[in-house]
Amino acid sequence: KAGVTQTPRYLIKTRGQQVTLSCSPISGHRSVSWYQQTPGQGLQFLFEYFSETQRNKGNFPGRFSGRQFSNSRSEMNVSTLELGDSALYLCASSNRGLNEQYFGPGTRLTVT
Amino acid sequence: AQSVTQLGSHVSVSEGALVLLRCNYSSSVPPYLFWYVQYPNQGLQLLLKYTSAATLVKGINGFEAEFKKSETSFHLTKPSAHMSDAAEYFCAVSDLRGSNYKLTFGKGTLLTVNP
Repeated sequence: KAGVTQTPRYLIKTRGQQVTLSCSPISGHRSVSWYQQTPGQGLQFLFEYFSETQRNKGNFPGRFSGRQFSNSRSEMNVSTLELGDSALYLCASSNRGLNEQYFGPGTRLTVT
Repeated sequence: AQSVTQLGSHVSVSEGALVLLRCNYSSSVPPYLFWYVQYPNQGLQLLLKYTSAATLVKGINGFEAEFKKSETSFHLTKPSAHMSDAAEYFCAVSDLRGSNYKLTFGKGTLLTVNP
């Protein structure tokens, strides 16, 4: 079975721009979660989507948003980028009954 | 609210020595506990998980962890370190049930293995 894929792997953006990251979960998995990883704050939960609905949200500003499509693929969007948004963004997929999450390789976002 | 504390941001061992990475958790409900490993420029790989079955959990690459409710701990061990074990290790706690379906991670422990 193919693992979780994320595109692009690396991204450089300028302050004020917006960015969209994509995540394709493991086939059959309907839950997709997003996490932000930074050296200072560590791994922080952004949000979870299940069956195209946001089920849970972390403590991030409204500039961070996401969506999930009918094929379970998910995108997250960050608008009005700030320098502090530079991070590794990780996507994780799961079946809710599976009690574990599988992570993709991440998208490294650099904001200049 | 759930939380995880990993004692020691950096642990250094010699090849062949015991690896012990410490994790303490706080949870108001029976927890699910996980250890993940992250190699440079990669995502997180699940090493093992505890979901209220056996308290001693065996994972991949020779790692194991023991759930101790009285100590609220879930320490990760490996009898003999290998150079390839050098990576960052994250302990996580989760409800992974109901509406609070997310992982809460510790700050991570960087494991260095010396030849």
